[in-house]
Amino acid sequence: KNEVEQSPQNLTAQEGEFITINCSYSVGISALHWLQQHPGGGIVSLFMLSSGKKKHGRLIATINIQEKHSSLHITASHPRDSAVYICAVYSNYQLIWGAGTKLIIKP
Amino acid sequence: NAGVTQTPKFQVLKTGQSMTLQCAQDMNHNSMYWYRQDPGMGLRLIYYSASEGTTDKGEVPNGYNVSRLNKREFSLRLESAAPSQTSVYFCASSEQQFYEQYFGPGTRLTVT
Repeated sequence: KNEVEQSPQNLTAQEGEFITINCSYSVGISALHWLQQHPGGGIVSLFMLSSGKKKHGRLIATINIQEKHSSLHITASHPRDSAVYICAVYSNYQLIWGAGTKLIIKP
Repeated sequence: NAGVTQTPKFQVLKTGQSMTLQCAQDMNHNSMYWYRQDPGMGLRLIYYSASEGTTDKGEVPNGYNVSRLNKREFSLRLESAAPSQTSVYFCASSEQQFYEQYFGPGTRLTVT
């Protein structure tokens, strides 16, 4: 069993929909990192959080340390949000990567 | 600020050739990393440098060497390229180890 699991693996939605991507982990962590990989390959850091909630524009990330779970929400989704979203956790001095969620937003 | 820059963007090598991938950051970060990403796969850590003057192996170090030339620059060398090293290589940096990482644009390497 992978230490970091993301769901769903693939998600297709219509423009304007509210999107939720989930990340569950089975190890103790010091922080969790959400990143976005564009179709062209570039990787952008979205959030790093160890508790609570962070918001940036239409993106919201939450983490529940007790439940070992984090969610990434996108409000008013747009085709330019189409990308792979990756969750990674810092545990025991290493970064453990999830497999990513491929999101497609249709106009 | 340019952030993290990588050169070259694309490279084709023949089996057995050598090359060095260059990475530089202008954010005054202490820690730097090299990853590879194979098609349809996640990122795998090759080597990292927690601070200037130190380097450590990651998950997949075989066939690679690194040099932390100074605080800004971290290079990755393939001494004798193999087709299994065909991949996209990403350099990243962070203020300290285990802090938020910032990525370069990647180098697409093909070994024939």
